[in-house]
Amino acid sequence: DTGVSQDPRHKITKRGQNVTFRCDPISEHNRLYWYRQTLGQGPEFLTYFQNEAQLEKSRLLSDRFSAERPKGSFSTLEIQRTEQGDSAMYLCASSSTEEQYFGPGTRLTVT
Amino acid sequence: GENVEQHPSTLSVQEGDSAVIKCTYSDSASNYFPWYKQELGKRPQLIIDIRSNVGEKKDQRIAVTLNKTAKHFSLHITETQPEDSAVYFCAANGNNRLAFGKGNQVVVIP
Repeated sequence: DTGVSQDPRHKITKRGQNVTFRCDPISEHNRLYWYRQTLGQGPEFLTYFQNEAQLEKSRLLSDRFSAERPKGSFSTLEIQRTEQGDSAMYLCASSSTEEQYFGPGTRLTVT
Repeated sequence: GENVEQHPSTLSVQEGDSAVIKCTYSDSASNYFPWYKQELGKRPQLIIDIRSNVGEKKDQRIAVTLNKTAKHFSLHITETQPEDSAVYFCAANGNNRLAFGKGNQVVVIP
């Protein structure tokens, strides 16, 4: 499968715990995006990388959130001290031009 | 920032009929407008897109039209089939990010 992949697909955690998600983009894509999607809503932009540089962050991305893309390949999104409001689908997308292709997402449930 | 709105929120059509979903955007600098289809529990799938230098684009049974003056764009699905049932999201780019609408639930009735 040469599409965008994400791991894990599902994560259940207790409030206050830290979680980390991984995204592997399509190999030739230099741009990588993280979005959050809640029920009945469209994806909401969180952050964007071009190669290894994080070029933009949404104000939705509080201090508890951090993202990295070492070496410009895969990316990780970490949420520290999770809250119930963090429960959502976290989607990754990659692109080489404007066309963004999404991964299957990681569904986070905070109990 | 960019604000994208979609109407109607839910659309039911008889199989074989056409479906039209309209989106409006706020930022006149936006120049790329994709449409995504999302089936339950699956990833958003890019189905068609249009750039601001084009007024219309077709791909088999789907087409997108863009009116830059009015700042709206529409998705047209002809000869609808049950497998077209899904949530459709429009988006507009602005500052290297996509702003999505809330989605339209399309239900094709056999």
